[in-house]
This record gives sequence, C-alpha cells and structure tokens, in this order.
Amino acid sequence: DAKTTQPNSMESNEEEPVHLPCNHSTISGTDYIHWYRQLPSQGPEYVIHGLTSNVNNRMASLAIAEDRKSSTLILHRATLRDAAVYYCILRAPHQGGKLIFGQGTELSVKP
Amino acid sequence: DVKVTQSSRYLVKRTGEKVFLECVQDMDHENMFWYRQDPGLGLRLIYFSYDVKMKEKGDIPEGYSVSREKKERFSLILESASTNQTSMYLCASSLGLLTGTYNEQFFGPGTRLTVL
Repeated sequence: DAKTTQPNSMESNEEEPVHLPCNHSTISGTDYIHWYRQLPSQGPEYVIHGLTSNVNNRMASLAIAEDRKSSTLILHRATLRDAAVYYCILRAPHQGGKLIFGQGTELSVKP
Repeated sequence: DVKVTQSSRYLVKRTGEKVFLECVQDMDHENMFWYRQDPGLGLRLIYFSYDVKMKEKGDIPEGYSVSREKKERFSLILESASTNQTSMYLCASSLGLLTGTYNEQFFGPGTRLTVL
C-alpha cells in the first residue's frame, strides 16, 4: 500500500488560512487522495477527496501537485472548531471501501 | 442527518469476559467497518463487511469476531477479553463500492473499552 507522510503537528491563528501538506511519493496512477479529520472525542469525519484535479467543497480545498506526489489541504479561514487531527489517506480501487489511516497532523488553532 | 450509533461510550470489563460491541447505522449502507484506535498506532481496521452475513478480516482480526445478521447492525465480539484489547473502538459505514465511485465513511462516536 502506498504511504503518506504528514507533519506531526501544526499551529494556526484563528481566521487565517491553513495549508496542511501531505507527501505520497509512491502514489500509483489509480490511487485517490482522501482527507479525514478527527475532532477531540469524536470519530473521524470525511473532509474531501480528489484524483488529479484540485477540488473545492464547503469545508476545504484540496490542491494536488501535477506529479501527484504531494497534496495540500487548505482551510481558508481557520476557526477554533477546526482544531483536530487531519489524516491524508490514499485509497486504491482494489482496496474496496477500506481506509488505511496514518498518524495524521494535529492542528491547533490559537484565538 | 446520517447516523452511526454505538451501544456504549464507555465500557469496563474483566479479563476473560465475552464482550459485545454493537453498531447501528440508519443510512441503508452496505459496508460496515470496525476499527480500533490506540495512541501512537492510529486507527487500525479489525473487520469489515460488504453485505449481510459477509465479513472480511482487516489488518488486526486476532482475538475478535464479528456478526452481521441485519444490514443496519454490525457487532464486534471479543470472545475472551484481554488487557491488550483496552482501546477506543470505532464503527463506520459507507455505501457499497461502485466502479469509479468513492463513498465516504461515516463514523460513530466510539466506545472506550477498558479491560481490567
């Protein structure tokens, strides 16, 4: 299974943009890039996913490098409620519905 | 609102007891999953199910079994609980996999199990 590398932790100020990086240099052509986050004392929740093109939704944006070896999750204006562990996950079609979680990045947001 | 519920938020059991963790989803999802989460090890998949009465082993199935008699319910069973099964257990569900379609997983709030 292709692996992802994320910083252990990051800090941000409230109302500022946050860029959460993820490296996946061994990604294969059919792997999708997914992001989930886990708020304190809750189960993970889906954030966004993409294959090749940049993606936007109401929660965040996903910027994917042209060679697909890295991606960045962008929170446009961090709020205190965005403090969570963010997981970058690769999923291959043959894995079915399985998700393989890494260690994630713990994001703290300062008021 | 989509909902995945787990029978207990906190559970304390003794070594050797048989433990049932229940998970129910109300979204008519085909797929259901059980994970455990431990500090420093992240979330690891124990078992999953693509359909009623079907089950597949995940990465760490040893010491666990599962049951899926109805589509909405997926049970995790610890036949004889041990202290190394003290952990946070998370259930998730998703729509069945269609070619080229990604279906997000919806997670329950988790059950923190302590085995004494």
